[in-house]
Amino acid sequence: DSGVTQTPKHLITATGQRVTLRCSPRSGDLSVYWYQQSLDQGLQFLIQYYNGEERAKGNILERFSAQQFPDLHSELNLSSLELGDSALYFCASSVRPQREWGYTDTQYFGPGTRLTVL
Amino acid sequence: EDQVTQSPEALRLQEGESSSLNCSYTVSGLRGLFWYRQDPGKGPEFLFTLYSAGEEKEKERLKATLTKKESFLHITAPKPEDSATYLCAVQAGTAGNNRKLIWGLGTSLGVNP
Repeated sequence: DSGVTQTPKHLITATGQRVTLRCSPRSGDLSVYWYQQSLDQGLQFLIQYYNGEERAKGNILERFSAQQFPDLHSELNLSSLELGDSALYFCASSVRPQREWGYTDTQYFGPGTRLTVL
Repeated sequence: EDQVTQSPEALRLQEGESSSLNCSYTVSGLRGLFWYRQDPGKGPEFLFTLYSAGEEKEKERLKATLTKKESFLHITAPKPEDSATYLCAVQAGTAGNNRKLIWGLGTSLGVNP
């Protein structure tokens, strides 16, 4: 158990709908990362937050958005869902953001949310 | 362009048959290389972080090594429970990548009893 929690575990919805995925980082971790993993693709980095502020963006679609709240939990909002959005969505957390010239913090992953769009 | 390549894509071993997985990288200024294990439908589980060439780390039957161009994950006398996908990720030191990891596609390892 990494200490990162994600809810819900499974989500089934229809095209065009909107869903919210929730993540609670490990106690003491300030940084949260969101990833998407499809069957035929590797882990795709979506977005990172540090202490409530957006720090880095990856291949995140405009239909997707995220935020990190004062209690450090994070939510990933997916709207106008398409069949291709069906995937596993993972949240990870680390103590500090990975700095340009400093040390590197390890990311610890949650169990994921499996999203199925019908 | 920063890139991480893992090989082989898939590997099947007999129980007790040692082998190595490879992670080669092309990045500007390595800041850290990570190995994770992922079981089907589960989140990646952290195994090791390596920071500089020559560094080695061990955990049970696994040993990770790092050179200036690649990392190896050596599996000694594997057991069926070692079956999983092993992921490699690299953090580069360039300004554009300083806050995200570059991930390989993984090696799917199966160990027959």
